Amino acid sequence: DVKVTQSSRYLVKRTGEKVFLECVQDMDHENMFWYRQDPGLGLRLIYFSYDVKMKEKGDIPEGYSVSREKKERFSLILESASTNQTSMYLCASRYIGTRETQYFGPGTRLLVL
Amino acid sequence: AQSVTQLDSQVPVFEEAPVELRCNYSSSVSVYLFWYVQYPNQGLQLLLKYLSGSTLVKSINGFEAEFNKSQTSFHLRKPSVHISDTAEYFCAVMRIQGAQKLVFGQGTRLTINP
Repeated sequence: DVKVTQSSRYLVKRTGEKVFLECVQDMDHENMFWYRQDPGLGLRLIYFSYDVKMKEKGDIPEGYSVSREKKERFSLILESASTNQTSMYLCASRYIGTRETQYFGPGTRLLVL
Repeated sequence: AQSVTQLDSQVPVFEEAPVELRCNYSSSVSVYLFWYVQYPNQGLQLLLKYLSGSTLVKSINGFEAEFNKSQTSFHLRKPSVHISDTAEYFCAVMRIQGAQKLVFGQGTRLTINP
């Protein structure tokens, strides 16, 4: 079974803090994704990575950056957290040979005070 | 660009009743179609997908969805729901060629009442 893990299930941070959300997959997948999930808006793509050290902006990249130094790990960084970044963050990974199937992590619920 | 509209944000039904969750999409190019399910406090799981071939696709837990190209719809149905089907359901599309990103609808919260 594919396993996608996220470092924290719940996180509380203060405005202005630098926040790191970590995602690890154990299936040697090339592609990895970060989404945020908000009520009434569904999931929106923040960033994705085709492979190590490669990244591409999604639909809502403002206020976020990412890092992919190793194939199994994809980090989402909030350089200076703001209250409007309070949300559920979901990571996903995908094997390039079966690109229609993404595997999701359990999510990190972030509260920015 | 692609867009997905889920017409109902919440659907309450009684146990053992039938249910339909509606999904319409807009795209100028051919797409794959998906339904994902999110059980309480969990990540998303793929429920079923349409890639090609038969327009009726089925999941192992009794859900089915039919791709209707003329109406650009991919509605999800189940003839008899169970309490354990309580979850949020997301419809999504992905271009067959080009950018391989999932575009999600807003989600439909299905609540099953005993």
